[in-house]
Amino acid sequence: AQSVSQHNHHVILSEAASLELGCNYSYGGTVNLFWYVQYPGQHLQLLLKYFSGDPLVKGIKGFEAEFIKSKFSFNLRKPSVQWSDTAEYFCAVRDRGGNTPLVFGKGTRLSVIA
Amino acid sequence: DSGVTQTPKHLITATGQRVTLRCSPRSGDLSVYWYQQSLDQGLQFLIQYYNGEERAKGNILERFSAQQFPDLHSELNLSSLELGDSALYFCASSPPGGQTYNEQFFGPGTRLTVL
Repeated sequence: AQSVSQHNHHVILSEAASLELGCNYSYGGTVNLFWYVQYPGQHLQLLLKYFSGDPLVKGIKGFEAEFIKSKFSFNLRKPSVQWSDTAEYFCAVRDRGGNTPLVFGKGTRLSVIA
Repeated sequence: DSGVTQTPKHLITATGQRVTLRCSPRSGDLSVYWYQQSLDQGLQFLIQYYNGEERAKGNILERFSAQQFPDLHSELNLSSLELGDSALYFCASSPPGGQTYNEQFFGPGTRLTVL
């Protein structure tokens, strides 16, 4: 079964620092990839998604992610974080074709300090 | 606001009891998914319904069951509750067909506390 690894459990950054959160999934085939964000006390919101085409995907709030098929990776990046980016970030993968569920990583908590 | 609604927002109950969580999908979405989010297990897929029929099953306990009604709202029933069932339960919905079928919109969740 598909699995997703998010290597960083908790990341602490100062405002204006650059961010990269790692995400790897377990096996290939054609996949759809997502990053969701969960702000404190709120529900999950979609940050960005990759279905096909350009492997560099731009999402909301200045986030982007790069799909590297050979590495089974879909890392999330932001050049300059803000205090308001403090949240939990979840990577999710869905095998395309057939009826497979969305598989989530365990999440990375990002704390941005002033 | 994703358009997915869940009630109640909070639920506190005792071990051994039974509760029902309710979810209304976004208008036009046919699929409903249930997830359990706990500190130790992360976000776990429980079950999916599509237009009233069970479509996929994940790590759902036998004490848990779900259904999707003709108006497309869904209910998750949790019975013989244990302390370990305390968690956030999310519902998500997705549009019918095509690539957009893969995108899920999440509700605000129901926080269940079992004492």
